[in-house]
Amino acid sequence: GNSVTQMEGPVTLSEEAFLTINCTYTATGYPSLFWYVQYPGEGLQLLLKATKADDKGSNKGFEATYRKETTSFHLEKGSVQVSDSAVYFCALRGGSQGNLIFGKGTKLSVKP
Amino acid sequence: SQTIHQWPATLVQPVGSPLSLECTVEGTSNPNLYWYRQAAGRGLQLLFYSVGIGQISSEVPQNLSASRPQDRQFILSSKKLLLSDSGFYLCAWTGYDTEAFFGQGTRLTVV
Repeated sequence: GNSVTQMEGPVTLSEEAFLTINCTYTATGYPSLFWYVQYPGEGLQLLLKATKADDKGSNKGFEATYRKETTSFHLEKGSVQVSDSAVYFCALRGGSQGNLIFGKGTKLSVKP
Repeated sequence: SQTIHQWPATLVQPVGSPLSLECTVEGTSNPNLYWYRQAAGRGLQLLFYSVGIGQISSEVPQNLSASRPQDRQFILSSKKLLLSDSGFYLCAWTGYDTEAFFGQGTRLTVV
């Protein structure tokens, strides 16, 4: 079945540091891939998405590229801010009517 | 535009009491609906999903049940809460070929 594996946290960085959160997936066919962000006490918000191979999703300085050859969708940001502190979830959706499958989440803490 | 409402935001219930959490979606039709639970410091666990009225799939055996009495209404219930039912419950919907949209969540504490 479909699955998502993302790096375990927590990840602690200093402000302006480079961020990478690894995400790999297992799926049949051509799933859509997503990164969600969850701020404390809130629901999940879509951060970015990519629907086909080699697509790059981007938002708020975050980027992720859909790599079918390595089945990966790593999240990157060149310079993190304290306000980026949150839990980040990688997810896939297999097909137009498929369920969303989430990774376990990675907690990011950014120190000033 | 589509919106999703989930309530209540917080709930404190004694062990053995019943539970009813409600989620409604506006601005779309025939959504897929989901209930997730997030225990403290852990990831999302899919509890139930529904592709239509009266159609419920359970992902894990547990003390909870779900119902979908209307197209855009999804209810999470329990007859008798356990301490282990405490957590953060999230409702979500997806449309055809869309990402998931989440409610703001319900913080349930069973005491």
